[in-house]
Amino acid sequence: DVKVTQSSRYLVKRTGEKVFLECVQDMDHENMFWYRQDPGLGLRLIYFSYDVKMKEKGDIPEGYSVSREKKERFSLILESASTNQTSMYLCASSSITEQFFGPGTRLTVL
Amino acid sequence: RKEVEQDPGPFNVPEGATVAFNCTYSNSASQSFFWYRQDCRKEPKLLMSVYSSGNEDGRFTAQLNRASQYISLLIRDSKLSDSATYLCAVNTGNQFYFGTGTSLTVIP
Repeated sequence: DVKVTQSSRYLVKRTGEKVFLECVQDMDHENMFWYRQDPGLGLRLIYFSYDVKMKEKGDIPEGYSVSREKKERFSLILESASTNQTSMYLCASSSITEQFFGPGTRLTVL
Repeated sequence: RKEVEQDPGPFNVPEGATVAFNCTYSNSASQSFFWYRQDCRKEPKLLMSVYSSGNEDGRFTAQLNRASQYISLLIRDSKLSDSATYLCAVNTGNQFYFGTGTSLTVIP
């Protein structure tokens, strides 16, 4: 079974803090993604990566950066967390034909 | 224009009912199509892929209409355990595009 894991299920941070969300997949997939999901807005793509050290902006990259130093690991960084970044963050990994999600990190920024 | 449009519902149906969800997609070059199920406060999980010929998995039937650019999911004989949000997804190139999800509640 494909396994995508995320470093935290729940996280509470303060405004201005730097936040790291880690994602690891064990299926040797080249493509990895970070989304946020908010009520009424669905899944919105923040960044994706199709290879090590490669990254592409998604629909809402502002306020975020990413790092892909190893194939299995894709990190999302909030340089200076703000309250409007309170959300559910979902990492995903995909083969050519299917996308699999991690369990999500529910981030609250106070 | 959104890549994928989906009626958010909610759909409230009695046990045993048949319910159908539809999605439309805007990019005719889209290659693969899926339905995901998402339970409250959980991640989306792949329910089934959608093929041009249509495919069935037990009480679930998925259809693709490339000419009209829509995909559908039919659930027959609804169970209480079917209550969830159902998201359609479209794969175009390296990216996956998701609908906002349709909420289904099956009522005893």
